[in-house]
Amino acid sequence: EPEVTQTPSHQVTQMGQEVILRCVPISNHLYFYWYRQILGQKVEFLVSFYNNEISEKSEIFDDQFSVERPDGSNFTLKIRSTKLEDSAMYFCASSEGGGASQPQHFGDGTRLSIL
Amino acid sequence: GESVGLHLPTLSVQEGDNSIINCAYSNSASDYFIWYKQESGKGPQFIIDIRSNMDKRQGQRVTVLLNKTVKHLSLQIAATQPGDSAVYFCAENRGAGTGGGNKLTFGTGTQLKVEL
Repeated sequence: EPEVTQTPSHQVTQMGQEVILRCVPISNHLYFYWYRQILGQKVEFLVSFYNNEISEKSEIFDDQFSVERPDGSNFTLKIRSTKLEDSAMYFCASSEGGGASQPQHFGDGTRLSIL
Repeated sequence: GESVGLHLPTLSVQEGDNSIINCAYSNSASDYFIWYKQESGKGPQFIIDIRSNMDKRQGQRVTVLLNKTVKHLSLQIAATQPGDSAVYFCAENRGAGTGGGNKLTFGTGTQLKVEL
């Protein structure tokens, strides 16, 4: 069964450094998402992306965050200058279509640890 | 305010019994309600969803019930197995709407423990 893959599985970074989290969505999917989950808390929406544009972003997704589809298979989340509170699991998801009836399929996440 | 929340943080059931996981929501504008399963170290896995104009939907060993009168959603798992042990999240999707983003809003999760 096709799946969303994320790399690395664990990223340790010094505060203030830039980090790029990578995702390969399911190949025929056109809509892409990033979510995060701070330990013990809810999964929170960060951003949705379609046709090389951000469709919607949350309050969390401030100027330190950016997303990119650099080629036909990858989808990346960049945090420009990491803060301690950015430590969380980051999940990438994709869906075939953009309607609410289209299930979003998640990867297994990248654990980001900021020191 | 708007929220999607769960009644119980932990549910323990005997193998073979049926499980019922509950969720309350406060926003009536949601288009779809979805259940996800999250095993340790894994990402959320889609189980089943239900559109807001329905009150019941069945899948393989799972049934989702939606009661819009009391804004309540439940997931029933028949003949619960050890492999069902996980955290279960309800989520809502208000659709693209004016925001265009199709974002999911998740609840806090219920830990299901299946005892042998």
